[in-house]
Amino acid sequence: DAGVIQSPRHEVTEMGQEVTLRCKPISGHNSLFWYRQTMMRGLELLIYFNNNVPIDDSGMPEDRFSAKMPNASFSTLKIQPSEPRDSAVYFCASSEVGNEQFFGPGTRLTVL
Amino acid sequence: AQRVTQPEKLLSVFKGAPVELKCNYSYSGSPELFWYVQYSRQRLQLLLRHISRESIKGFTADLNKGETSFHLKKPFAQEEDSAMYYCALRSHSGNTPLVFGKGTRLSVIA
Repeated sequence: DAGVIQSPRHEVTEMGQEVTLRCKPISGHNSLFWYRQTMMRGLELLIYFNNNVPIDDSGMPEDRFSAKMPNASFSTLKIQPSEPRDSAVYFCASSEVGNEQFFGPGTRLTVL
Repeated sequence: AQRVTQPEKLLSVFKGAPVELKCNYSYSGSPELFWYVQYSRQRLQLLLRHISRESIKGFTADLNKGETSFHLKKPFAQEEDSAMYYCALRSHSGNTPLVFGKGTRLSVIA
């Protein structure tokens, strides 16, 4: 298994553009988590899904952020429109119930 | 409220010296505590969890409920231990997200 897969690994975009980050969890894992990492705030949970259903999205900073999980093997995090303060590393993680969370390599987003 | 505090942003030690990365937590129930490590240009990975009570790469961490601490220790630091270390907690029940501290960067000097 390749582990959690995220794409793209790096994204540079201009303010106002739409950004879509993608995640493929480990096969068989039924929970998926999106985190954001910044120097100032560290690692923060944005949203998580259990069995493809969003459970808690209270960490999503604004309506500009949205996340979907159409099936067990794919999730997207979308920012529309993007702003410079959205620049961060975005991590996806997956797990089986009650077990260790496995992290993807992250997507480094830069909004100019 | 759940909170994890790592008071040191950066910790520098000499090779062979003991290391202690501090972690304190605030949680109203019975939490699970973890240490994650992120080596340069690698993904975040689990180092150890308190319920397994094992030593990984020479690191140990003991949960002290009285002091609400879960400090990470290693008696003799190695250069390859240089990395970012995150303490995290989650509820003991169910599949809930991790709450992370802000991390401590450990630098082991040769």
